[in-house]
Amino acid sequence: QKEVEQDPGPLSVPEGAIVSLNCTYSNSAFQYFMWYRQYSRKGPELLMYTYSSGNKEDGRFTAQVDKSSKYISLFIRDSQPSDSATYLCAMLWGGNQFYFGTGTSLTVIP
Amino acid sequence: DAGVTQSPTHLIKTRGQQVTLRCSPKSGHDTVSWYQQALGQGPQFIFQYYEEEERQRGNFPDRFSGHQFPNYSSELNVNALLLGDSALYLCASSLDWRSTDTQYFGPGTRLTVL
Repeated sequence: QKEVEQDPGPLSVPEGAIVSLNCTYSNSAFQYFMWYRQYSRKGPELLMYTYSSGNKEDGRFTAQVDKSSKYISLFIRDSQPSDSATYLCAMLWGGNQFYFGTGTSLTVIP
Repeated sequence: DAGVTQSPTHLIKTRGQQVTLRCSPKSGHDTVSWYQQALGQGPQFIFQYYEEEERQRGNFPDRFSGHQFPNYSSELNVNALLLGDSALYLCASSLDWRSTDTQYFGPGTRLTVL
């Protein structure tokens, strides 16, 4: 079993839709959770960083962490074609070794 | 403020050869981590350098080695290249390997092994 599981998609939605991206994890020691966006053939770009259960909002993006269920989500409101990318969840427990999901490919259709 | 930079952008090698990839961290960062990202996969942790020493290592063979210089820049060396080493190699920098500060990634070096 992988430490971090993420549905690879692909996910295709119309412009303006609400997008929900999810990851589950097995290691209950994970304390810090991140979402990265990666455009084709580019390095990952940090979107959200959280370290506790609950919600964190930043513009059109909301990160949600449920440690009891070992489940994290990223919601994108009013999705735009420029949001089309691969979204990676990442997590760590102390130290600085990040564990990544496989990424979910998202396409927002104009 | 320059972010993380990597060179070269692309590289083509043949099996059995050796390759060196380079990374300069974000200004003010002293910790460099290297990741391998195969096509359609998430990044896999290779190792991390801080104060010119390898501090953590993922599940990669000894063919993968690295170095960090006094100016915090880093190199990743891969010997005896295999076809399976073809991937995007990402460098990430952060503040202090013991902290949980997040990492900032460079654009990557795409390595193709023929």
